[in-house]
Amino acid sequence: AQTVTQSQPEMSVQEAETVTLSCTYDTSESDYYLFWYKQPPSRQMILVIRQEAYKQQNATENRFSVNFQKAAKSFSLKISDSQLGDAAMYFCAYSANAGGTSYGKLTFGQGTILTVHP
Amino acid sequence: DAGVIQSPRHEVTEMGQEVTLRCKPISGHNSLFWYRQTMMRGLELLIYFNNNVPIDDSGMPEDRFSAKMPNASFSTLKIQPSEPRDSAVYFCASRLDRYGANVLTFGAGSRLTVL
Repeated sequence: AQTVTQSQPEMSVQEAETVTLSCTYDTSESDYYLFWYKQPPSRQMILVIRQEAYKQQNATENRFSVNFQKAAKSFSLKISDSQLGDAAMYFCAYSANAGGTSYGKLTFGQGTILTVHP
Repeated sequence: DAGVIQSPRHEVTEMGQEVTLRCKPISGHNSLFWYRQTMMRGLELLIYFNNNVPIDDSGMPEDRFSAKMPNASFSTLKIQPSEPRDSAVYFCASRLDRYGANVLTFGAGSRLTVL
C-alpha cells in the first residue's frame, strides 16, 4: 500500500523568508502524481502544486516550488518570500496515474502546520 | 464554475440520529470522493465513485455508513445511527478522469458534531 509521511508536525517562518516542508512516500508504482494541498483555517482544501513522476523537472508555481527526488521518494515543498496568508496546514498527497493498480485514491500525509511570523 | 458544493456546512445532532451529507460535484467531472478528516486519523478516503458507480468503499468504517450517487450531479453520505466518534469534517471532492489530469477539487467540507 502507498504511504505518505510528513515528519514535521509544525514549522514556523518569518515573513519574507523561505521555508521547506518535507514529505516522503512509498510506492511500487512507476507512474504517479504528487501534490501539495493547503488547508487554511477556513478548512477549504486548496491545491498548491503538483508533480508528475515521469517529469524530471521540478514543478514551480510562483513562490512555491518542489524538490522531487524520485529515487529517494522525497517530495519537499519550498515556499519563498513567505506571506502571512501562507499560514495553514499543508498536506502532501500521492495518487497513481490512470492505469496504475491503485488509480483513483489520493493518499494524504499527516500534515504540517505552518506558522508565519510578521 | 461554482466548484464542489457540500451541504450542510455544519451539523450538530444527537447520538442515534440519522445524518445525511450532500454533495454536488463539478459539472463534467466523472469521479467523486468522500473523505473524512479527524485530528487522530487525518484525512481518510471513505469511498469513491467513477461514473456514478462505487469503485472502492473499503474505507467506509462500518455498516452504519452508506453512500449513494444516483446521478452525475449528486451524492449523499448517510450515517445511521450516528455516534459521537463520527464527529469529524467530511469532505467531498470531484475529478475529471483523464490521463494527465488527476487533480481533485474539494468542497468546503461538512463539520459534523454528534453529541
